[in-house]
Amino acid sequence: AQTVTQSQPEMSVQEAETVTLSCTYDTSESNYYLFWYKQPPSRQMILVIRQEAYKQQNATENRFSVNFQKAAKSFSLKISDSQLGDTAMYFCAFLMNRDDKIIFGKGTRLHILP
Amino acid sequence: GAVVSQHPSRVICKSGTSVKIECRSLDFQATTMFWYRQFPKKSLMLMATSNEGSKATYEQGVEKDKFLINHASLTLSTLTVTSAHPEDSSFYICSARPTSGRSYNEQFFGPGTRLTVL
Repeated sequence: AQTVTQSQPEMSVQEAETVTLSCTYDTSESNYYLFWYKQPPSRQMILVIRQEAYKQQNATENRFSVNFQKAAKSFSLKISDSQLGDTAMYFCAFLMNRDDKIIFGKGTRLHILP
Repeated sequence: GAVVSQHPSRVICKSGTSVKIECRSLDFQATTMFWYRQFPKKSLMLMATSNEGSKATYEQGVEKDKFLINHASLTLSTLTVTSAHPEDSSFYICSARPTSGRSYNEQFFGPGTRLTVL
């Protein structure tokens, strides 16, 4: 069975700094999708970034980028020039195929300090 | 685009009563919707997968007679918590997966419903 592990329960960084959130997963499949979701205090789940496993190029969305290491089964999220609005719970998630259910990690609570 | 709404956003009810939560995909069709439960500072726990026109698939440990799911149309799924008890108090989140289109591998989440059972 697939599993997603986020080893950092909580992190704090100063505003404008760069922060990296770790995520590892376990699967025997070669084709799948990986996501980072953000859940701010409002509790609305927001998709931050997605990565298809067949793509070697790391996904980037503005200040958010991932380091996808398929062989190592690692999918870290880098937030550059962090802002106060980035304060949230971040969930790493795995989807084997579109007909399957998303598997979430336990989350990392990120605090951006002024 | 890809907006999912939930109603109500917050509900307080007495123990023993039933509560219905609606999940709507506003600008896309969703054959499949998902219902999650989230405890404070915890991850999302999938309760069930709701498929339009068929019975929902429940995760292990979730009582299907207590958490009734109906997916009557391609834009609406409902979760009814029957005979609610204080331990059912939680944050319930739905998500919807577009039937087609560019984002068909994604799920879009509703804003959640906070249920408090007195």
